[in-house]
Amino acid sequence: DAGITQSPRHKVTETGTPVTLRCHQTENHRYMYWYRQDPGHGLRLIHYSYGVKDTDKGEVSDGYSVSRSKTEDFLLTLESATSSQTSVYFCAISERREAGEQFFGPGTRLTVL
Amino acid sequence: GQQLNQSPQSMFIQEGEDVSMNCTSSSIFNTWLWYKQDPGEGPVLLIALYKAGELTSNGRLTAQFGITRKDSFLNISASIPSDVGIYFCAGPDSGGGADGLTFGKGTHLIIQP
Repeated sequence: DAGITQSPRHKVTETGTPVTLRCHQTENHRYMYWYRQDPGHGLRLIHYSYGVKDTDKGEVSDGYSVSRSKTEDFLLTLESATSSQTSVYFCAISERREAGEQFFGPGTRLTVL
Repeated sequence: GQQLNQSPQSMFIQEGEDVSMNCTSSSIFNTWLWYKQDPGEGPVLLIALYKAGELTSNGRLTAQFGITRKDSFLNISASIPSDVGIYFCAGPDSGGGADGLTFGKGTHLIIQP
């Protein structure tokens, strides 16, 4: 299994509070991704990174920001959480751009009350 | 954006039966990926396909990359209880992979005793 951890694994927070989710990898892969998974929508890309300090938006990036200051860490921040951001969040990593293969972390279940 | 249509949405089968599911797209994909997700965990990559017509096996699993590059199927032979889960097809959004993956909505496999 790829060495990917996510923290926290579960979080309950209130509307309007900031939340940061962390993804940590030990594989030294260049590319990292954040997805959210919701019933009826499957997995959707939020943001991705193609190197340290290099990030870009995905399909559902509104309300989210990311940072990558080290190869191994990719942070996802909800500046002011809303109930619509209740979801399961997955981090993924990839070694090569062309192959498309991505390996996923165990996920973080976030509930915004 | 690109969309992947998976069918069936769910399958109820008996242990020992063979399973077949497929994925279609309105646009061409250069890579097809098949993932399995168990409850409470992240998707796990099962098979990656890179060439039109390619047929690849991984134990009891066999997947094929359609000739038109707009479809793929996954077969599971002699199903066992641990095959239960959700199976997703996926492909690189822009053909390059770094922009993230587009996922189908999944086929939920349920094995009846």
